[in-house]
Amino acid sequence: SQQGEEDPQALSIQEGENATMNCSYKTSINNLQWYRQNSGRGLVHLILIRSNEREKHSGRLRVTLDTSKKSSSLLITASRAADTASYFCATGSGSEKLVFGKGTKLTVNP
Amino acid sequence: EPEVTQTPSHQVTQMGQEVILRCVPISNHLYFYWYRQILGQKVEFLVSFYNNEISEKSEIFDDQFSVERPDGSNFTLKIRSTKLEDSAMYFCASSGLDRVRSEQYFGPGTRLTVT
Repeated sequence: SQQGEEDPQALSIQEGENATMNCSYKTSINNLQWYRQNSGRGLVHLILIRSNEREKHSGRLRVTLDTSKKSSSLLITASRAADTASYFCATGSGSEKLVFGKGTKLTVNP
Repeated sequence: EPEVTQTPSHQVTQMGQEVILRCVPISNHLYFYWYRQILGQKVEFLVSFYNNEISEKSEIFDDQFSVERPDGSNFTLKIRSTKLEDSAMYFCASSGLDRVRSEQYFGPGTRLTVT
């Protein structure tokens, strides 16, 4: 797999349920960032987790990072229809650029 | 809350024409980036810019591309002679003081359509 691969590719849940998306990467990183993109729109920054951190929270978002497994997860609790979007992880590995995955398309049904 | 802005939101151009995409990064940020996303594909890094010079560029960023910070606020991407395969959403981003550990904030994008 390539750097920053999310799974599942698509996820459909009911409002109120939790949504978990995973990201795997191959090389060592300095940080990992999660973004949301509504259809055809811009990228909204959600959360950054540094390589020396294991877990971070922001509102209904919880991100974990396991550097030994080279993986991260994004949990959205109590999902809402407005959470419907594509979610991307992006890794920073010591240079300026972020390397993005293909994303998970989340659909929250009302 | 400060945000990155981009103009235009949509640009249609003919193959071979020059286009300039404009961005206003967040005002106290020091690092600036361009990325692109071809429809249905990953977001790809093009170039990063710091202290008035390119600090990193990808293979995509060939001689047809250039970037400039013409004044204290704007950051532009120029494509000299557009090709059909340049059709994509182009995102500008900026980050603050620490280039390897700071959040990158993205603009809403410019959708470029080359016909």
